[in-house]
Parts: sequence; C-alpha cells; structure tokens
Amino acid sequence: AQSVTQPDIHITVSEGASLELRCNYSYGATPYLFWYVQSPGQGLQLLLKYFSGDTLVQGIKGFEAEFKRSQSSFNLRKPSVHWSDAAEYFCAVGERRDDKIIFGKGTRLHILP
Amino acid sequence: GAVVSQHPSRVICKSGTSVKIECRSLDFQATTMFWYRQFPKKSLMLMATSNEGSKATYEQGVEKDKFLINHASLTLSTLTVTSAHPEDSSFYICSASRIPGQGQETQYFGPGTRLLVL
Repeated sequence: AQSVTQPDIHITVSEGASLELRCNYSYGATPYLFWYVQSPGQGLQLLLKYFSGDTLVQGIKGFEAEFKRSQSSFNLRKPSVHWSDAAEYFCAVGERRDDKIIFGKGTRLHILP
Repeated sequence: GAVVSQHPSRVICKSGTSVKIECRSLDFQATTMFWYRQFPKKSLMLMATSNEGSKATYEQGVEKDKFLINHASLTLSTLTVTSAHPEDSSFYICSASRIPGQGQETQYFGPGTRLLVL
C-alpha cells in the first residue's frame, strides 16, 4: 500500500531564511504527488502537484518541489519564507488508477521574526 | 475558482445523538466527493469515497453504520455520525472532485467541520 512520510513534525525557521520540508513516499510506480497547506481556521490549499514531466515543480506563493525517483522523495522548498507561511504542510500521494489522495502526517512550520 | 463549503463549521452535541454534516460544491458539479477525518496534530485520514447516485466506498476500519454517507446530488454529500460518542470528536473535512477520473488534479477541499461530542 502506498504511504507518505513526513519525518519532521515541527520546523522552525527565521523569516527570510530558506526552507525545505521533507517528504518520502512508498509506491510501486510513479504516483501523483502533492503538497497542501492548512492555515489555522482555513481549508486545505493546494500548493503544487507533480503528475509527470519536469521533476522540478513550481507552485503558488513562491514554493517549489522536486521529485526524485531514486530517493522516493518530493521535498518542498522556498528560498525565503515570510511570516505568513506559518502553517501546517501536508505532503500527499495519489494513485493513478483512482481518485484517492493519501496524506502524510504533516509538518508544522513556525516562523521566527 | 471552485469552492466547496461545509455546514456547520462547528457542532457540539450530546453523546448518543446523531449529527449531519453537509458538503456542497458551490460552483461546479462533483461526481465524487471524499470525506476525511483529522485528529488533533495528526494527518487527514480518508474515511470514504462518495459517488453520486451510488453507495459510498469506505476505507478499511471505518464503520459504515457509524458514518453514513449520502451523495444525493451532484453538488451535495452528507456525512451523518450516528449515535455519536466522545471518541468521534474530530475535524471532518470533505473534498469534491470536479472531473471524473481526474480526481487528484481537480479535488477541492472544504473548510472542515469541528465536531465535539460531550
């Protein structure tokens, strides 16, 4: 069965610093991969997704992620974080044969002023 | 953009009562809707897939008789927590898929419903 691992429960970075959130997946073939953000009191928002093609994916709010098949990873990056980026970030995987999305446990991002 | 709403946003009920949560796609038709449960500081757990006009497909370990799902129209799915108990307290989130067979690409999430069972 497919699964998603986000090894970091909490990450704290200073405003203006770079960010990388880790995500590893377990799946036999090439899955669909997603990053979502959940802000307090708000719904899930899709940051970016990878289906095929270029392994470096650009998303909204200045985020990007790179699919590395050899490492089964899909890490999320941002060159310079803003205080408004403080939120919960979820990596997710979907199978190509159905519409389900399986979520990782999330990483809470804290921003220091 | 596509908007999914949930009602109510918060509900408090007594143990033993049933609670209905609505999920609506406001500006598109959703042949498939999904229901998730999110425990505090935990991930979203897929509970079931709801297809319009047919029975829902439940994930392993989810009690069908406990969590009744109805997808009566292309814009509305309901989740009823029957005979609720304190352990059912959680954050319930729905999502709606806009294009059949491309669910992951066009899945839009609702804002969630906080259920507290006393």
